[in-house]
Amino acid sequence: GENVEQHPSTLSVQEGDSAVIKCTYSDSASNYFPWYKQELGKGPQLIIDIRSNVGEKKDQRIAVTLNKTAKHFSLHITETQPEDSAVYFCAANSYGNNRLAFGKGNQVVVIP
Amino acid sequence: DTGVSQNPRHKITKRGQNVTFRCDPISEHNRLYWYRQTLGQGPEFLTYFQNEAQLEKSRLLSDRFSAERPKGSFSTLEIQRTEQGDSAMYLCASSYQGSEETQYFGPGTRLLVL
Repeated sequence: GENVEQHPSTLSVQEGDSAVIKCTYSDSASNYFPWYKQELGKGPQLIIDIRSNVGEKKDQRIAVTLNKTAKHFSLHITETQPEDSAVYFCAANSYGNNRLAFGKGNQVVVIP
Repeated sequence: DTGVSQNPRHKITKRGQNVTFRCDPISEHNRLYWYRQTLGQGPEFLTYFQNEAQLEKSRLLSDRFSAERPKGSFSTLEIQRTEQGDSAMYLCASSYQGSEETQYFGPGTRLLVL
């Protein structure tokens, strides 16, 4: 099955700086890659996703890039704010497979 | 659109007891998923339904676990003879036809087995 890995496990950034989280996946047939934000005591919230026919997608301060050759994708958060502090999960969903395989998550801490 | 809802939000039970959780998906979402999340880990897939049909089950779903979606709307997840290893957050997600991959999660039910 699909195996998704995230790096780094914890990331601390100064408010206003950028944060980048990278994920790698193992199944070359994967074609859908969402990112979720999870705050303490809450369920994962979808923040952005990308499909394999696109290399980059942006939504305000958040962007995701995909490199299918290298089998990795990254989340970019610009102009970080304290409310961006949370655990971020990447996931991958293989074609024809309805389950999402998640990474272990990255704790992002934005220091005011 | 009120989002995915789950009840109860928290459940404490003694080992050996049965528990049942409920998930109400976003209205008109035909697919419903159950995941389990333990501390420090990402969610792990358990099972999913398309309408009332249960189409896929993970090997994580032992025979003590059963899920139903009798009318294709809300779903229940029952755990029989709970064990301490069942302690986790149980998450429900839903998606709609035409964009099945995009799953929206509920707040989860946190289970603690004593």
